[in-house]
Amino acid sequence: GAGVSQSPSNKVTEKGKDVELRCDPISGHTALYWYRQSLGQGLEFLIYFQGNSAPDKSGLPSDRFSAERTGGSVSTLTIQRTQQEDSAVYLCASSLGTGKTEAFFGQGTRLTVV
Amino acid sequence: AQKITQTQPGMFVQEKEAVTLDCTYDTSDPSYGLFWYKQPSSGEMIFLIYQGSYDQQNATEGRYSLNFQKARKSANLVISASQLGDSAMYFCAMREDSWGKLQFGAGTQVVVTP
Repeated sequence: GAGVSQSPSNKVTEKGKDVELRCDPISGHTALYWYRQSLGQGLEFLIYFQGNSAPDKSGLPSDRFSAERTGGSVSTLTIQRTQQEDSAVYLCASSLGTGKTEAFFGQGTRLTVV
Repeated sequence: AQKITQTQPGMFVQEKEAVTLDCTYDTSDPSYGLFWYKQPSSGEMIFLIYQGSYDQQNATEGRYSLNFQKARKSANLVISASQLGDSAMYFCAMREDSWGKLQFGAGTQVVVTP
């Protein structure tokens, strides 16, 4: 596709269930980022991939959160045993990497834990 | 430690006036890029402008210009001739080339009034 694609766009889940959020970056983009944004707040960094490896996963809030990237392309963010405080918009972005290359964002996944 | 600081949580500006959004950053990496993004109420992240650490001239893109003061580690965004459609949250971001991680400030909410 032409842009960064995230699915699902909306997800409502029960507390304690596991969820998987998917990000399809722009083809050829080596860098991929996950952020979390609560209502009216800034972007909280979660994890950054360069290719399939994650040089920085310091933003993952707890061991319930994990992410992987395969084939240097699609990434999945998994949240286990969801809690109500996990409710937020999860944004994915991709870029060519360093230099004068901006990151392009997907539309986000709005996660609601009830 | 906070790498990107945006000290103005919110600003009001009149239509047709110019507005300056402050951004300071912290890095010891000699090579880095600075970005500004706009997030309207629809939630999409829109790239506005980029400034590289080695760029001699301040970046400009239409009504957007970046006042880059390297010694002060400052990268303020200037929006000239504000329009009602400029009402949005504005985020400053930095990517250190040695690391690749894209980090965001807390954002500034701009409201343009008629």
